[in-house]
Amino acid sequence: GQNIDQPTEMTATEGAIVQINCTYQTSGFNGLFWYQQHAGEAPTFLSYNVLDGLEEKGRFSSFLSRSKGYSYLLLKELQMKDSASYLCAVRDPGGGSYIPTFGRGTSLIVHP
Amino acid sequence: KAGVTQTPRYLIKTRGQQVTLSCSPISGHRSVSWYQQTPGQGLQFLFEYFSETQRNKGNFPGRFSGRQFSNSRSEMNVSTLELGDSALYLCASSSGQGDEKLFFGSGTQLSVL
Repeated sequence: GQNIDQPTEMTATEGAIVQINCTYQTSGFNGLFWYQQHAGEAPTFLSYNVLDGLEEKGRFSSFLSRSKGYSYLLLKELQMKDSASYLCAVRDPGGGSYIPTFGRGTSLIVHP
Repeated sequence: KAGVTQTPRYLIKTRGQQVTLSCSPISGHRSVSWYQQTPGQGLQFLFEYFSETQRNKGNFPGRFSGRQFSNSRSEMNVSTLELGDSALYLCASSSGQGDEKLFFGSGTQLSVL
C-alpha cells in the first residue's frame, strides 16, 4: 500500500521562506513530484526528485531523502501569488504503473 | 502545443443518472489518467489508459469506467450517480514512456443533486 502525509494547511508572510514537508511509505519508489494547484485551476508541475538531495529551480527547491521517506518543498521570497495548494506525489512502480499517487495537499496561505 | 482539454467544464446531474466526461490529451501523448478530487480526500486515482488499454486501476466501484480511442482521446463514465460522486474530475496526459510528468486539464466539476 501507499501512505503519503503532508500538513493540511500552512500560513506564511510575504517575503518569507516556507518549507512544506511530505513523508511517504510505499512498497517501491521511482520518483517524487511536487505540483502546485491554485483554487479552481489544474495542478501544474513544480519539481521531480528521484535521487537524494536538493533540486533548485528559481525561488522553489525540493529535497529528497529516500532512506527516510521524506521530502520537502522550499519556497523563498514568498509572493501573494504563491497562495495555493501544494501536492506531493510518489511514483511506485510496484503495481506495474508509473502513475504517481498524490497526498491530500497542503494549502498555503501567504499574508501581506 | 495545445494543452489537455476537458469537457464539459461544469455538470449538474441528479442521483441515479449517468454521466460521460471527455478528455483530449496533448498531441503525441498516449497515456491518459483520471483522478477524482474532493476537499476531504484530495486527488484519488481512478484509472489510466495507454494505447486504448486500461493499464492501471484505482479502488473505485465498477460504476466508474472509462475508455480510450485510437486518437488517445479518453472518456470516463459514471453510472447510477450518488451524492458522494460530486467532485472535480481531472484528467492528465503524459507520454506513457516513463517520463511521467503529468499535464492536467482544468477538470469537470460534477455536482450530483
